[in-house]
Amino acid sequence: EVQLLESGGGLVPPGGSLRLSCAASGFIFSNYAMSWVRQAPGKGLEWVSVISGSSGLTYYADSVKGRFTISRDNSKNTLYLDVTSLRAEDTALYYCAKLRSVLVASAADFWGQGTLVTVSP
Amino acid sequence: DIQMTQSPSSLSASVGDRVTISCRASQGIGTSLAWYQQKPGKVPKLLIYAASSLQLRVPSRFSGSGSETDFTLTISSLQPEDVATYYCQKYDSAPLSFGGGTKVEIK
Repeated sequence: EVQLLESGGGLVPPGGSLRLSCAASGFIFSNYAMSWVRQAPGKGLEWVSVISGSSGLTYYADSVKGRFTISRDNSKNTLYLDVTSLRAEDTALYYCAKLRSVLVASAADFWGQGTLVTVSP
Repeated sequence: DIQMTQSPSSLSASVGDRVTISCRASQGIGTSLAWYQQKPGKVPKLLIYAASSLQLRVPSRFSGSGSETDFTLTISSLQPEDVATYYCQKYDSAPLSFGGGTKVEIK
């Protein structure tokens, strides 16, 4: 059974940083691209970033480019998102999602429960 | 960047009604489109990928169609458990943008 367990969220002041983690199990982690998607309270889904299965390719939404870094450790079956220079508008539930393919151009077929990031003084 | 526009933003229909939701891309994306269902307080769930392929264990009353710029999600017979917000997402190339969502309620 596929499982994705996010952690690392919390309350952080503007300008602060966090490392979000997503521990994966139930599938061959390196065979699939992974993505981060966020959802601000009461709002829609916003794609944040994606990484290919081999970590060779990464892409970011313009809203986070230069501030967020996606990475993965295939030996630990773990996906990461380093979030820095946080702003109030980054407050959201951050979901980790498994894509259907090793390629970044694919749909997300499994989602974690999310980890909440709150940016506030 | 390609923009994804969903319509309507919300709808109310009776149980058993046929419901259609539209998703329009500002440029052609082939069939690289997915539909997700998010029930209140729950995690998004993949319904349709490649514009018209039904994900495993998704009821057959859900179907998708379209290509390039115009896509449709159809619920053939609305059920009470279909109350949710539905999102389309392009995945032909980054950014893998979502539409704004369509909230479906029971009349």
